[in-house]
Amino acid sequence: GNSVTQMEGPVTLSEEAFLTINCTYTATGYPSLFWYVQYPGEGLQLLLKATKADDKGSNKGFEATYRKETTSFHLEKGSVQVSDSAVYFCALGTGNQFYFGTGTSLTVIP
Amino acid sequence: DAGVIQSPRHEVTEMGQEVTLRCKPISGHNSLFWYRQTMMRGLELLIYFNNNVPIDDSGMPEDRFSAKMPNASFSTLKIQPSEPRDSAVYFCASSLYQGAYEQYFGPGTRLTVT
Repeated sequence: GNSVTQMEGPVTLSEEAFLTINCTYTATGYPSLFWYVQYPGEGLQLLLKATKADDKGSNKGFEATYRKETTSFHLEKGSVQVSDSAVYFCALGTGNQFYFGTGTSLTVIP
Repeated sequence: DAGVIQSPRHEVTEMGQEVTLRCKPISGHNSLFWYRQTMMRGLELLIYFNNNVPIDDSGMPEDRFSAKMPNASFSTLKIQPSEPRDSAVYFCASSLYQGAYEQYFGPGTRLTVT
């Protein structure tokens, strides 16, 4: 079946630290992959996406590369800011279905 | 574009009352989704529509929950009667098509049932 697994949180980092949030997937066919961000009190917002193998999605300093060989789509940012504190969701879309991971909470401290 | 619009943003009601949540999807989007988010259960898909037709309602908790989409620009999620365990944030999302297309979320309705 199709599913998304992302690393457990919460994650706490100091400002300017490097961020990695792991995401792996299981899918039949050729899924599209997404990262969403949810700030406190708000809905989920699309952060970036990749639609085929080796594509790199990027936005606001965040990046993720669609790795078919390792079935992964890890989220990275070189230098996090306090304003990046949020919950991050990995997601997969394929066929008629869309699957979200369980979310990873990130807190960035000054 | 105004994005996905949900109303009300907050709803407080007493157990046993009927609650109706409303959603206006992004114009031109053909698929609409209703989600529920709680600390305990995370983000759950309740139901989704494609071209105004319900496709999968297997996530609807029980018969107290119902959803309609009478036209392409409006959907409702109704809970009757409401119970304290229905307290959650309910999100509506829309996408161009179902499946591999990104979903755009509304701001959510925070429901509290006392």
